[in-house]
Amino acid sequence: DIQMTQSPSSLSASVGDRVTITCQASQDISNSLNWYQQKPGKAPKVLIYGASNLQTGVPSRFSGGGSGTDFTFTISSLQPEDIATYYCQHYDNLLRVTFGPGTKVDIK
Amino acid sequence: QVQLVESGGGVVQPGRSLRLSCATSGFTFSYYPMHWVRQAPGKGLEWVAFISSDGNSKYYADSVKGRFTLSKDNSKNALYLQMNSLRAEDTAVYYCARDRRVDHYDTLDMWGQGTMVIVSS
Repeated sequence: DIQMTQSPSSLSASVGDRVTITCQASQDISNSLNWYQQKPGKAPKVLIYGASNLQTGVPSRFSGGGSGTDFTFTISSLQPEDIATYYCQHYDNLLRVTFGPGTKVDIK
Repeated sequence: QVQLVESGGGVVQPGRSLRLSCATSGFTFSYYPMHWVRQAPGKGLEWVAFISSDGNSKYYADSVKGRFTLSKDNSKNALYLQMNSLRAEDTAVYYCARDRRVDHYDTLDMWGQGTMVIVSS
């Protein structure tokens, strides 16, 4: 089974800061990697699909990159409304899903 | 607009059963594969199960295999999760989510609000 890891597990940054989260797969997953945002008490929301494609309606300050085993998720200028936990997610060719452990983002 | 509404959660004793439902509207349910994802209190997201659009293919996480059964009623636009032999570690918010393929990438693009299951004696 493919395992997903994320780092850091949590971070604090100031409004306007650039924030980067990394996600690593235990084996090559090409670009079958999505990123989700989950605010407290809410369901997750997909932000990035296919490693680097911005979901419709998602602000352009969010971006993703990488392929193979190493991926990044970036918020170019952190906003107060971005306080949330972010998860990477892989799906295999049978659409079985694996989530990373999550990264909690706070405002400093 | 697209809506997914879970129901059926509650408090249940270990070893007992519970059936969750996910009522959908605003899209052609029969076209879409669906998933259940759960989240234990204070923990991360855990994928539970997948069902294909026609209901013929189903996959389960190892943690629930043999205990949970997923079904899809395209005539009622509804998804069900039959949970048997429940354990304390099944305590979580359970979300149903739609799988949508965009540019040959799959995402869980729409989610319900979740229903809480508490397994406790």
